[in-house]
Amino acid sequence: DAKTTQPPSMDCAEGRAANLPCNHSTISGNEYVYWYRQIHSQGPQYIIHGLKNNETNEMASLIITEDRKSSTLILPHATLRDTAVYYCIVRVYGSARQLTFGSGTQLTVLP
Amino acid sequence: DVKVTQSSRYLVKRTGEKVFLECVQDMDHENMFWYRQDPGLGLRLIYFSYDVKMKEKGDIPEGYSVSREKKERFSLILESASTNQTSMYLCASSFPDLSSYNEQFFGPGTRLTVL
Repeated sequence: DAKTTQPPSMDCAEGRAANLPCNHSTISGNEYVYWYRQIHSQGPQYIIHGLKNNETNEMASLIITEDRKSSTLILPHATLRDTAVYYCIVRVYGSARQLTFGSGTQLTVLP
Repeated sequence: DVKVTQSSRYLVKRTGEKVFLECVQDMDHENMFWYRQDPGLGLRLIYFSYDVKMKEKGDIPEGYSVSREKKERFSLILESASTNQTSMYLCASSFPDLSSYNEQFFGPGTRLTVL
């Protein structure tokens, strides 16, 4: 699986959009971008994944650059409950084997 | 909603005790996983099961064993607990490889302390 780089921490005001960047410059053609998050003392939670098109679900939007070397997770209206560590990983689709998380981004949503 | 439950949120055991951690999922997932998570070391796979009675070692299986007698249940066993097994233990489940939705769903975790 390709390596990813994320900023260690970010702050966001409650109600504003949180934009979390991820660099994955060595991504392969058959690798997808996945995002998980982990709220303190809880298990990780799947958020969204994508290949090259932008994706949206009830939790977030995922914007992947045309060259696929970076992506941005967008939480459109951040709430205090979105405070968590967010992990960006790339892996081959259809590979249901182990997940490997990097250090992630600690997002703090401020009141 | 997918639900993965773990038998305990917090557990305190003594060195040398045999410890059982239970995980149950209700989505008929074939794959189940046991990870441990430690500060600075990230998520590390202990064991993986892709079917009933089937298992594969992960990156750090030493000191652990697993049991999968029923599809929905995956147990992690610490044969003789040691202080270096103090950690957060996370269970996860997913559909099999090459399925449409194979993201992993995690339980809430068990924080085990071995004294």
